[in-house]
Amino acid sequence: KQEVTQIPAALSVPEGENLVLNCSFTDSAIYNLQWFRQDPGKGLTSLLLIQSSQREQTSGRLNASLDKSSGRSTLYIAASQPGDSATYLCAVPYDFGNEKLTFGTGTRLTIIP
Amino acid sequence: NAGVMQNPRHLVRRRGQEARLRCSPMKGHSHVYWYRQLPEEGLKFMVYLQKENIIDESGMPKERFSAEFPKEGPSILRIQQVVRGDSAAYFCASSPPSSTVAGGRTKNIQYFGAGTRLSVL
Repeated sequence: KQEVTQIPAALSVPEGENLVLNCSFTDSAIYNLQWFRQDPGKGLTSLLLIQSSQREQTSGRLNASLDKSSGRSTLYIAASQPGDSATYLCAVPYDFGNEKLTFGTGTRLTIIP
Repeated sequence: NAGVMQNPRHLVRRRGQEARLRCSPMKGHSHVYWYRQLPEEGLKFMVYLQKENIIDESGMPKERFSAEFPKEGPSILRIQQVVRGDSAAYFCASSPPSSTVAGGRTKNIQYFGAGTRLSVL
């Protein structure tokens, strides 16, 4: 059974700093990993999807890396802004053809102006 | 192209009543997933449907919960005889069928709706 863990559960950093969010998974036989953002009382917004054949994926100030062998992914946020404050979730699909997602526990990020 | 639409956004029910949650997937999407987020917990998978078929309901409680995705119209998550423990945010996601493109990559991003927040009094 796949288990996905995110550490830390909460993180507060001053505006402008670079930061790293961590995601670990127990079953390395994944074919992709997705990072989401959830704002309070809102739905989920997909940030990045990184395929198993990729090691990195970038979108603006966000960079996601994937190391299947160690069961880890990181989300790097450069030059953080108050608007980045949200809960960040990573998720992996069950199997090709049945892509129900197993979500991590989330990291609640607060950027201090 | 409108996103995934869920309604209502907020639903209040008394214990014992029925709750119906609706999800209209994005245009062209034939796969629908329902997830539940209990207070202070992560999102948990409930059910995966394609048009007129339940593919995987391994995350659905055995009693009182049902889901459908008819040929026409939205997907419905139905909770009968609600209890306080059903209070949660229910999210729907849709995706196109999985496919392999050049390089072996798949198109299977799930797009999420804003959710329905169910409160049981």
